[in-house]
Amino acid sequence: QVQLVQSGAEVKKPGTSVRVSCKTSGYSFTDYSIHWVRQAPGQGLEWMGGVNPSGGGTYIAQRFQGRVTMTRDTSTSSVYVELSSLRSEDTAVYFCARVLTSSRLDAWGQGSLVIVSS
Amino acid sequence: DIQMTQSPSSVSASIGDRVTITCRASQGISSWLAWYQQKPGKAPKLLIYNAVTLQRGVPSRFSGAGSGTDFTLTISSLQPEDFATYYCQQAHTFPITFGQGTRLEIK
Repeated sequence: QVQLVQSGAEVKKPGTSVRVSCKTSGYSFTDYSIHWVRQAPGQGLEWMGGVNPSGGGTYIAQRFQGRVTMTRDTSTSSVYVELSSLRSEDTAVYFCARVLTSSRLDAWGQGSLVIVSS
Repeated sequence: DIQMTQSPSSVSASIGDRVTITCRASQGISSWLAWYQQKPGKAPKLLIYNAVTLQRGVPSRFSGAGSGTDFTLTISSLQPEDFATYYCQQAHTFPITFGQGTRLEIK
C-alpha cells in the first residue's frame, strides 16, 4: 500500500536550518508530485510547495521563496524540504503528501514536528 | 491568492444529526475543490475531490456539492468517529490554499 514515512522531530535554534525527509513506497515514485503542508500548533493547514519527482522541478509558495528548498532522490524514492533562517513562527508539524490529478492530496506522511526555540 | 472561507468555524451536533459545512472561494474555482478530515495528532484524510467525488473508502454519509465559489460538505447522519476538524482546499490555482477549518464537536 502507499506509504509516506517522515523523519523524526527536530529542535532547532533561531537562524539555523532544518531538513525534513519523506520516504515513499507502494507506488511508482516518479508518477506523482509530492507537496509539503505545515500546521502551526492549534492552527490550520498551510501549503508550502511541491516537487515533481520525475524531473525535480519545484513550485514554492511565494512567502517561502528564498528560504525553502525542495529536492528529491529517485534512488531512495524520497523527497526533502529544507527551511533556512528559522524563526519561532516556523514551529509547526510539517507534512508531506502525494498529489494526484485535480491537485488532491490523497496520501500523507505522519508529520514531523519542528520546534524553533532558543 | 485565492482565499477560502469556511463557515461555521465550529459546530456542535449529536450522533445521528445531519451537518453541513460551507466553503466559499474568493473567486471562481469551477469544481476544483477537495475536503479533508483531520483528527488531533493525525494527518489530514482526503474525503472528497472535484467538489462531489467521494474518495475510495470514505463512507457514503459524506457528500459534497457546489461549483464556482460556493461549496458544501454534508454528513447525513453523524457517527462518533466523525467528530474532527474539516478543511476545504482549492486546487484551481497555485498557490494551493485551505480554508481555516471547521471543528465539529459533540453536543
